[in-house]
Amino acid sequence: EAGVAQSPRYKIIEKRQSVAFWCNPISGHATLYWYQQILGQGPKLLIQFQNNGVVDDSQLPKDRFSAERLKGVDSTLKIQPAKLEDSAVYLCASSSRDRARFGTQYFGPGTRLLVL
Amino acid sequence: ELKVEQNPLFLSMQEGKNYTIYCNYSTTSDRLYWYRQDPGKSLESLFVLLSNGAVKQEGRLMASLDTKARLSTLHITAAVHDLSATYFCAVDGNQFYFGTGTSLTVIP
Repeated sequence: EAGVAQSPRYKIIEKRQSVAFWCNPISGHATLYWYQQILGQGPKLLIQFQNNGVVDDSQLPKDRFSAERLKGVDSTLKIQPAKLEDSAVYLCASSSRDRARFGTQYFGPGTRLLVL
Repeated sequence: ELKVEQNPLFLSMQEGKNYTIYCNYSTTSDRLYWYRQDPGKSLESLFVLLSNGAVKQEGRLMASLDTKARLSTLHITAAVHDLSATYFCAVDGNQFYFGTGTSLTVIP
């Protein structure tokens, strides 16, 4: 079974530029999560999708971050404009069940973003 | 805001020894998860604990949950080098929060 795929794996941009990350979850997984992991910290949930609907985006900085999951499969996370403090690893995860039904999350390899 | 604290943050232990990592959280929840992260790698799910008193074991790792005390423990038995990694607990309350992580180094 193929795992969660993410691209790009690495990205270096200058502050105020825009960047987009892509995630392809495990086939058949209805729930998709985006996390931000700053070096030395635990992951922080940015947004959770159930199919193509948003379940939880309470910690997403909506002035600069946006995410979509068209057709309930692939997802993109965008930052516009980027700030220095956005330097982090962005992790995508998927699960076959939503949080209310206790789904185990499977994580992708992550995208390492460096903002200069 | 929900707080999830792990103790210790750093742990260096010799092979063959036992130790426990603690995860304390500040809100009511009966859903707690443990993950492992190797350096430069992504997260791997270890345990899902879904009720008070839940105990799960896999190899040398055993996790338990006490929802009344808002405490979960990850016990390591007879540590081996391959267990060296960072371990995170995560709590699903009104929001989903990860702990600070415990960096474990097992010394031969």
